[in-house]
Amino acid sequence: EDKVVQSPLSLVVHEGDTVTLNCSYEVTNFRSLLWYKQEKKAPTFLFMLTSSGIEKKSGRLSSILDKKELFSILNITATQTGDSAIYLCAVGSEYYGGSQGNLIFGKGTKLSVKP
Amino acid sequence: DGGITQSPKYLFRKEGQNVTLSCEQNLNHDAMYWYRQDPGQGLRLIYYSQIVNDFQKGDIAEGYSVSREKKESFPLTVTSAQKNPTAFYLCASSIQLSNQPQHFGDGTRLSIL
Repeated sequence: EDKVVQSPLSLVVHEGDTVTLNCSYEVTNFRSLLWYKQEKKAPTFLFMLTSSGIEKKSGRLSSILDKKELFSILNITATQTGDSAIYLCAVGSEYYGGSQGNLIFGKGTKLSVKP
Repeated sequence: DGGITQSPKYLFRKEGQNVTLSCEQNLNHDAMYWYRQDPGQGLRLIYYSQIVNDFQKGDIAEGYSVSREKKESFPLTVTSAQKNPTAFYLCASSIQLSNQPQHFGDGTRLSIL
């Protein structure tokens, strides 16, 4: 059965800390791995990764994929209280539900950044 | 601005009642999706539609129904057969047949009266 596992499930840090969020997967016919940030409402798209070893970066956030070991990490440096959110990892599979667009989601990591 | 609009934001259901959640997008996306999110859980796929007049069951379709009569609209009905409907419902859309991310609406929170 296809699955996506995120760790830790929750994390509390102080402003200025660096955090690493983990996502491992077992998915048939992997196509892509996506990271989303969810505050109170809609998950907002952060990164999509398809190739191993190529870091994607946006400001203080960065992510990388290892297709051999089947995992990805999301790094956040110099954390701010505005980074407090649930971070969702999702994997696209060629054949999940017969649609190329379908995603399998992990349970998310709840990050709390204290002032 | 292009986006996905879900309504209402909050909805209360009485026992035995069917309720319909609205999802409209003006992104010209072919594919649309409905997810359910429970506390401590990831998003679970209820139904999806790749094209107008076609839709498929996801992992937890029992007690739900959908229609896709227009490209822009993908309403979800929570029927009385769904015994535990209290959850946060998210609608998403994406460009079909391409490696593009899904974009989400702001969600509808459904509770039982």
